[in-house]
Amino acid sequence: DAGVIQSPRHEVTEMGQEVTLRCKPISGHDYLFWYRQTMMRGLELLIYFNNNVPIDDSGMPEDRFSAKMPNASFSTLKIQPSEPRDSAVYFCASSLGRIINQPQHFGDGTRLSIL
Amino acid sequence: DQQVKQNSPSLSVQEGRISILNCDYTNSMFDYFLWYKKYPAEGPTFLISISSIKDKNEDGRFTVFLNKSAKHLSLHIVPSQPGDSAVYFCAAHTSGTYKYIFGTGTRLKVLA
Repeated sequence: DAGVIQSPRHEVTEMGQEVTLRCKPISGHDYLFWYRQTMMRGLELLIYFNNNVPIDDSGMPEDRFSAKMPNASFSTLKIQPSEPRDSAVYFCASSLGRIINQPQHFGDGTRLSIL
Repeated sequence: DQQVKQNSPSLSVQEGRISILNCDYTNSMFDYFLWYKKYPAEGPTFLISISSIKDKNEDGRFTVFLNKSAKHLSLHIVPSQPGDSAVYFCAAHTSGTYKYIFGTGTRLKVLA
């Protein structure tokens, strides 16, 4: 079975550029999560969706960050303009909400470097 | 303000011995706890979980203990194997919500 698929795996870009990270959740999963991993703060939840609708975006650090989920099989996290402090590994995860306490399944992440 | 803390950034253990990874939390509303394992260049994978109605859950070599009064949980790996070398994250949430709070992780190295 295909897991959560993220692209690109690595992204290196210059400060000020727009960055778009992509995620395809596991088919049938109705919850999708975006996380950021840093050494200092570990895994931080940025935003999550239920049935394509954003439920909680309180973790989004600034207005430079935005996320969309146009359909059940695709989501994007966009940073515009990007800054060096946005450098981190970004993970997408999905889960099946109707099974209570079902663990979230993670993709392999996008390593983002902003120069 | 870290609601879930893993105070040991790293741990080294000899192969065959017990590994004990610790996690503390501050929010008494948390009632479900999970451990994830993460290898380099991969996403975290679910390992084991425990509900607050239990104080122990076991799955093969992995056991999680929960001490609600101390707001503390631990993961025991017995016996430890070199393939267990990874970063371990604990996470907590309140049942019915989907917002996991993760710790900063503990890097375990099992020495052959």
